Amino acid sequence: KNEVEQSPQNLTAQEGEFITINCSYSVGISALHWLQQHPGGGIVSLFMLSSGKKKHGRLIATINIQEKHSSLHITASHPRDSAVYICAVRFPMGGGSQGNLIFGKGTKLSVKP
Amino acid sequence: NAGVTQTPKFQVLKTGQSMTLQCAQDMNHEYMSWYRQDPGMGLRLIHYSVGAGITDQGEVPNGYNVSRSTTEDFPLRLLSAAPSQTSVYFCASRRDTAGEQYFGPGTRLTVT
Repeated sequence: KNEVEQSPQNLTAQEGEFITINCSYSVGISALHWLQQHPGGGIVSLFMLSSGKKKHGRLIATINIQEKHSSLHITASHPRDSAVYICAVRFPMGGGSQGNLIFGKGTKLSVKP
Repeated sequence: NAGVTQTPKFQVLKTGQSMTLQCAQDMNHEYMSWYRQDPGMGLRLIHYSVGAGITDQGEVPNGYNVSRSTTEDFPLRLLSAAPSQTSVYFCASRRDTAGEQYFGPGTRLTVT
């Protein structure tokens, strides 16, 4: 079964700390998404990547295709970063896959001032 | 652009009632999908569409119907609501199967 595992499930940090959230998956993928779900419930896309590394402001996403692993880093964390971060993978087309996303259960991050 | 819009935001139904959750996007995206989000579980795909007139089942389709008569709209119908359908429902769209995913604001549904 194609699975997506995230760790940790919950994370509490002090403002200013460097944060890492991990995502691993079981079989080869064509792309990986990182999403942020705000406390109010809305979901926004942070990154979509298939190799290497992407950076947007204080957020950095990396992926290692060989190890089937991705990390989301937040530098100089701030209370406004408090949210649930969700990893999702898209498997290659074919073999019954229509490019649908499979989601991890999310990592709940709380950043204390 | 309004992006992906969903109505209603909240809904309470009695067991056995039917209703339609509305979803629309104004980005001319081909791919649209419906997910449900339950505590302790990842988002799960209910139904999806790769273009007008084309729909298919996802991971948890039982008790739900969809149609896609236009590119913009992708309504989700609950045929006979059950307490197990209490959940938060998200509609999403993307340009194609390879594009970035955009989510609607969600509908919180309670079935009593």
